[in-house]
Amino acid sequence: DAGVIQSPRHEVTEMGQEVTLRCKPISGHNSLFWYRQTMMRGLELLIYFNNNVPIDDSGMPEDRFSAKMPNASFSTLKIQPSEPRDSAVYFCASSPINRGDDTQYFGPGTRLTVL
Amino acid sequence: DQQVKQNSPSLSVQEGRISILNCDYTNSMFDYFLWYKKYPAEGPTFLISISSIKDKNEDGRFTVFLNKSAKHLSLHIVPSQPGDSAVYFCAAGNSGNTPLVFGKGTRLSVIA
Repeated sequence: DAGVIQSPRHEVTEMGQEVTLRCKPISGHNSLFWYRQTMMRGLELLIYFNNNVPIDDSGMPEDRFSAKMPNASFSTLKIQPSEPRDSAVYFCASSPINRGDDTQYFGPGTRLTVL
Repeated sequence: DQQVKQNSPSLSVQEGRISILNCDYTNSMFDYFLWYKKYPAEGPTFLISISSIKDKNEDGRFTVFLNKSAKHLSLHIVPSQPGDSAVYFCAAGNSGNTPLVFGKGTRLSVIA
């Protein structure tokens, strides 16, 4: 079974540009999570969805960040406009719903560099 | 306020010896704990977990110990191998589908 798929794997953009990161969760998983990893803050949860519905977006740093999950097999994280401090690795993870073990399965990440 | 803390950013161990990675948590509502392993340019992968009803869980060379009274858990790797060199994240949550809280990670280097 394919794991979590993220695209692109690397993104280099200039400050002020719009950036869209994409994620395809594992088929049958009903929860999807977006994380950001930086040296200073480690793995931060940005937002998560249950059954395509955003449940908690309190980790989204600013209004420049938005996330959508139009269906069970696709989610996007958009940054508009992007800034150099957004440079980080962004991970998407999914997990089955109603499981007691809370194991999340991570994608390979998107390394974002904003110049 | 960090609810899950990994106070050692890095650890270096000789091949064949024991690696001990530590994690502390503050939220007494956590009842499920996990360790993830991350290689460069890859996403974190699940390694081992433990429920709060246990104090030890073993899987091959990996053992996780939980001390609820001290709000402390540790991951033991015996014997350590060079392929174990990675960043290890501790995570905690409630049973059910609530978000995990991750520590900042500990970089383990196993030296041959």
